[in-house]
Amino acid sequence: NAGVTQTPKFRILKIGQSMTLQCAQDMNHNYMYWYRQDPGMGLKLIYYSVGAGITDKGEVPNGYNVSRSTTEDFPLRLELAAPSQTSVYFCASTKGGSNYEQYFGPGTRLTVT
Amino acid sequence: AQSVAQPEDQVNVAEGNPLTVKCTYSVSGNPYLFWYVQYPNRGLQFLLKYITGDNLVKGSYGFEAEFNKSQTSFHLKKPSALVSDSALYFCAVRDTQAGTALIFGKGTTLSVSS
Repeated sequence: NAGVTQTPKFRILKIGQSMTLQCAQDMNHNYMYWYRQDPGMGLKLIYYSVGAGITDKGEVPNGYNVSRSTTEDFPLRLELAAPSQTSVYFCASTKGGSNYEQYFGPGTRLTVT
Repeated sequence: AQSVAQPEDQVNVAEGNPLTVKCTYSVSGNPYLFWYVQYPNRGLQFLLKYITGDNLVKGSYGFEAEFNKSQTSFHLKKPSALVSDSALYFCAVRDTQAGTALIFGKGTTLSVSS
């Protein structure tokens, strides 16, 4: 049971480039989330999904897109990368129902220069 | 608006002494509260949660937290700190409007000296 996995671990992008951050979970969790972590700011919700085929915006969705074609995968797409997207990105999942504990992946550290 | 506040950026404590990391919250309805810990270059690890029931919640690694409804607080505590407890601690509350996502505080760095 690998839990929540994320790839890549590190990435440097030039301004204007695009990339996809991968996230997968093998716990059959319905709910998945993308957060970004900036120093001294805690974590902010980018997008979330309550099940395959269903996604919705969080607090800071601008410049990002997501899809959820399967229960296991929840990729985050960055289009036209900007320096403001330099951050550490965490994917998380939870089963839902009465269990609200979220399981986090190891994170992707992204630098846009 | 729902929010979580961690008033201390850093808490310093000597090994063996008790520690407290403070958290206050603002939500509508009953709060679902969580503590997570983050070690350097790692993801967040769940420590404990309060959903309902006893106001004193016990969690992983000897940590506990006390829910106080009148003070809207959920402080993290440990009777005897270890150097290995040094990490970044986040308090969070369930967002009732975003599919059970979490709203996080800014985090508190705990430094335990030997």
